[in-house]
Amino acid sequence: TQLLEQSPQFLSIQEGENLTVYCNSSSVFSSLQWYRQEPGEGPVLLVTVVTGGEVKKLKRLTFQFGDARKDSSLHITAAQPGDTGLYLCAGASGNQFYFGTGTSLTVIP
Amino acid sequence: EPEVTQTPSHQVTQMGQEVILRCVPISNHLYFYWYRQILGQKVEFLVSFYNNEISEKSEIFDDQFSVERPDGSNFTLKIRSTKLEDSAMYFCASGLLQPQHFGDGTRLSIL
Repeated sequence: TQLLEQSPQFLSIQEGENLTVYCNSSSVFSSLQWYRQEPGEGPVLLVTVVTGGEVKKLKRLTFQFGDARKDSSLHITAAQPGDTGLYLCAGASGNQFYFGTGTSLTVIP
Repeated sequence: EPEVTQTPSHQVTQMGQEVILRCVPISNHLYFYWYRQILGQKVEFLVSFYNNEISEKSEIFDDQFSVERPDGSNFTLKIRSTKLEDSAMYFCASGLLQPQHFGDGTRLSIL
């Protein structure tokens, strides 16, 4: 089993602040996905990054894949209450997708 | 927007019984997945399925689980001889390559 550690595990910030969530592993992945999961629902895919060093932007969210394809980060600019949720990274190895430990984000109005 | 649908939303079963969880993936997707999420723990890969056969499976899969695609639309997960620790959310996902769309899950409670 390949481990993906996310940090921080919990994050509570004020509306308008910026934040970064990290996803780290000692394993190399062919691609990495970020999901957001809300209570009682399945994870929703936000982005897939494939190339080492790749940066993708989705409105106020910026995703980066590490050069060595072992780690990734998610940066949120000017967080809003609607960003509240559990953020999950998942790394692909073969046709298995290993999920990270999750970061629970709360944005306080 | 097309979505993955799972039934039932909640299943309560006596320990030792067999359970079948059902999923209807998105029709043009090629890969299908089952995951489980025990309360408070991370999402755990169980199996991936492609071209009517298992593509990858986790270490625990063969102990208790099997999958079928009995027709062109349904994708099922069978859990044999359920144990208390099988209580969890079970998610089905489908995609063209990676798990793009997840269902809302079946909450399985073993008594």
